[in-house]
Amino acid sequence: AQSVAQPEDQVNVAEGNPLTVKCTYSVSGNPYLFWYVQYPNRGLQFLLKYITGDNLVKGSYGFEAEFNKSQTSFHLKKPSALVSDSALYFCAVRDRGYNKLIFGAGTRLAVHP
Amino acid sequence: DAGVIQSPRHEVTEMGQEVTLRCKPISGHNSLFWYRQTMMRGLELLIYFNNNVPIDDSGMPEDRFSAKMPNASFSTLKIQPSEPRDSAVYFCASSFEGSWTYFGPGTRLTVT
Repeated sequence: AQSVAQPEDQVNVAEGNPLTVKCTYSVSGNPYLFWYVQYPNRGLQFLLKYITGDNLVKGSYGFEAEFNKSQTSFHLKKPSALVSDSALYFCAVRDRGYNKLIFGAGTRLAVHP
Repeated sequence: DAGVIQSPRHEVTEMGQEVTLRCKPISGHNSLFWYRQTMMRGLELLIYFNNNVPIDDSGMPEDRFSAKMPNASFSTLKIQPSEPRDSAVYFCASSFEGSWTYFGPGTRLTVT
């Protein structure tokens, strides 16, 4: 069965510092991986995806993620955090046979001024 | 494009009442998903449709829940009878093959 794990419930970062939100996955075959962000009282917004190709994927709002096949990880990163990045972040894997997304539990990112 | 449209945005109902949530996917998308979000269980996939056909409904909690997609531009999720433990935010999402999944703003359901 496919699954996604986000080991941290919350990540705290000072504004201007680099941030990392961790994600590991378990799939059969090559994965399709995604990051979504959810702001308070809003739906999920797509940030970036990995399908194939370059292991470093760049997405919206200055975020990027690094696909590491040997470690089965897809960590979300940003070189310099903003207070406005504070939100709930979800990692997801998509079944290649079907279109459905399986989400991790989410990580709450808090960026402090 | 207006994105995925959901209605109502908020619903408050009493236990035992029927609740119907509505979704209009993005035009041209051929997959539609219903997710439920709660603090305890996170984001759960309830059911998804491909080309209007239900493909996987293994996430539907019990027979009180039903979903339909009569055409490519409309879907409903119905709970009958509703219970307090159904209180959650229900998201509809749609996608097209090879693209990412777009989410609607959600319906916040409160069952008292």
